[in-house]
Amino acid sequence: EAGVTQFPSHSVIEKGQTVTLRCDPISGHDNLYWYRRVMGKEIKFLLHFVKESKQDESGMPNNRFLAERTGGTYSTLKVQPAELEDSGVYFCASSQAGGVFTGELFFGEGSRLTVL
Amino acid sequence: GENVEQHPSTLSVQEGDSAVIKCTYSDSASNYFPWYKQELGKGPQLIIDIRSNVGEKKDQRIAVTLNKTAKHFSLHITETQPEDSAVYFCAAKSGGSYIPTFGRGTSLIVHP
Repeated sequence: EAGVTQFPSHSVIEKGQTVTLRCDPISGHDNLYWYRRVMGKEIKFLLHFVKESKQDESGMPNNRFLAERTGGTYSTLKVQPAELEDSGVYFCASSQAGGVFTGELFFGEGSRLTVL
Repeated sequence: GENVEQHPSTLSVQEGDSAVIKCTYSDSASNYFPWYKQELGKGPQLIIDIRSNVGEKKDQRIAVTLNKTAKHFSLHITETQPEDSAVYFCAAKSGGSYIPTFGRGTSLIVHP
């Protein structure tokens, strides 16, 4: 069974440009999360989807960030326009549907974003 | 909201030694404490977790302890091996939430 996949693995863009990150969760996982880690700091929560609905977006930094999950399958995270402080590794994770939630998140390998 | 502090940021040990990573949390409602290991080029992966109804859990060379009164929990790795080298993250989550809060990570280096 395929794990969580993220694309691209690394993106280098100029300040002011737009970048779109994609995440494909494990098949059947209704919960999808976006996290970000700036070097040396914590893995910080950005957003949580349950199927196609945004359950919690309290961690989104500002309105330059837009996350979507049309159809409740893959998700995209767009940053527009990108700023220097947006640099970091963006992790996507998924977990099984509600009911018996074990607590385990399954992470992708991350998308490293470098804004110059 | 929850705040998780993790120490040390870097830990260097000789192969065969033990390694201990410590975390504290702020929300007394937290009841689930997972530990994730991130190897180079990979995403974090759950290695062990503990719930607030137990004080200790062990899985081969890895153990986690929890002190609810002091709000701290620790990861213990015995007989370290070079393949244990990675970044380790602790996290805490309350029962009603789907969102774990992570610490800053500890880079463990095991020297052969």
